[in-house]
Amino acid sequence: DVKVTQSSRYLVKRTGEKVFLECVQDMDHENMFWYRQDPGLGLRLIYFSYDVKMKEKGDIPEGYSVSREKKERFSLILESASTNQTSMYLCASSFKYRYSNQPQHFGDGTRLSIL
Amino acid sequence: KQEVTQIPAALSVPEGENLVLNCSFTDSAIYNLQWFRQDPGKGLTSLLLIQSSQREQTSGRLNASLDKSSGRSTLYIAASQPGDSATYLCAVSPSGTYKYIFGTGTRLKVLA
Repeated sequence: DVKVTQSSRYLVKRTGEKVFLECVQDMDHENMFWYRQDPGLGLRLIYFSYDVKMKEKGDIPEGYSVSREKKERFSLILESASTNQTSMYLCASSFKYRYSNQPQHFGDGTRLSIL
Repeated sequence: KQEVTQIPAALSVPEGENLVLNCSFTDSAIYNLQWFRQDPGKGLTSLLLIQSSQREQTSGRLNASLDKSSGRSTLYIAASQPGDSATYLCAVSPSGTYKYIFGTGTRLKVLA
């Protein structure tokens, strides 16, 4: 079974801190994604990566950056945390080949609170 | 810009009922459509994936259909059980991108 592991289930940080959220997948997937999920707004894409060291902005990249130094690991960085970044963060991965009939696989999420 | 809508936002049914969840999208140029289940406080679990060339997919009591030209998909759940209680989300992958665009989900409660 595909396993997408997010480093923390719950995290509490202070305003202005630099925050790192880590995600690791074990299925050799090319694509990795970071979303945030907020009530009433659904899942919104922050960044995604289709290969090592490659990244593209999603719909809401402001205040975030990402790092993908190894294929299995995709990190989300909050450069200077603010209270409006309190949210549930979800990591996902998938194969690059579009017609492989393989779905996106998600981690269990990190609930981040910024105080 | 692709938009995905799910109606209703919430649904409550007695156990044993057959039910249909709806998903609509505004742009028919998609690679595929996925249905997910999300339990409270958890990540998403993929239920069914339909490629753009397919009309439907089935897994156990679940059947998903896709009508690309009209921008609609339905998830049919047969003989619902309390364990089916969860939020169900659909997501489309627009052509020319690796992204997925999600609907806001339907929160389903199956009463014993």
